[in-house]
Amino acid sequence: DQQVKQNSPSLSVQEGRISILNCDYTNSMFDYFLWYKKYPAEGPTFLISISSIKDKNEDGRFTVFLNKSAKHLSLHIVPSQPGDSAVYFCAASASSGAGSYQLTFGKGTKLSVIP
Amino acid sequence: NAGVMQNPRHLVRRRGQEARLRCSPMKGHSHVYWYRQLPEEGLKFMVYLQKENIIDESGMPKERFSAEFPKEGPSILRIQQVVRGDSAAYFCASSPIAGYSSTDTQYFGPGTRLTVL
Repeated sequence: DQQVKQNSPSLSVQEGRISILNCDYTNSMFDYFLWYKKYPAEGPTFLISISSIKDKNEDGRFTVFLNKSAKHLSLHIVPSQPGDSAVYFCAASASSGAGSYQLTFGKGTKLSVIP
Repeated sequence: NAGVMQNPRHLVRRRGQEARLRCSPMKGHSHVYWYRQLPEEGLKFMVYLQKENIIDESGMPKERFSAEFPKEGPSILRIQQVVRGDSAAYFCASSPIAGYSSTDTQYFGPGTRLTVL
């Protein structure tokens, strides 16, 4: 039972255009969401997060949008750069209850930014 | 730049041997988490530790796996009598405190890639 789903295994975008990566979740207890970026043979690097009290969080070229009613979040990267090419993982956690510190990850979306 | 350190980066074991994976958290972080990533999968939570305490091991397989975070030294994930299905990337993360907020973000190490022959 996958509680965090990234339905697009891969995405190709032209340099300078917008990249939109999507993530859906099923667990209503999740109230904190994070995006990590991962290069091959390296660990995930934290990018940006959002709590459920917000619907948008922005940090430079990265913006995360949260739609709680749809249980959907997205990461926008604009403008996309070749160095953004990596696997992006969506992760979620719940602030209360057993295991509130556990991060539940999606399977990732491989982003390729074409020069 | 004292990030999360893991060693070894690569570990090859034959079936039945023991594997020991080490993790040193970021400076000032007292909470350590271990995750496992199987090929083509996302990371899956295994265990959460504080110094000298296992807080949550709900993601650990019931047999052969154990973890510790002693008062001094790194956290250790130990896998006894490894089998081929244990081949995976094992990531350690640390945070300053546990919970959720921008200050509790889990920061990951580079991982240990375990191959069982």
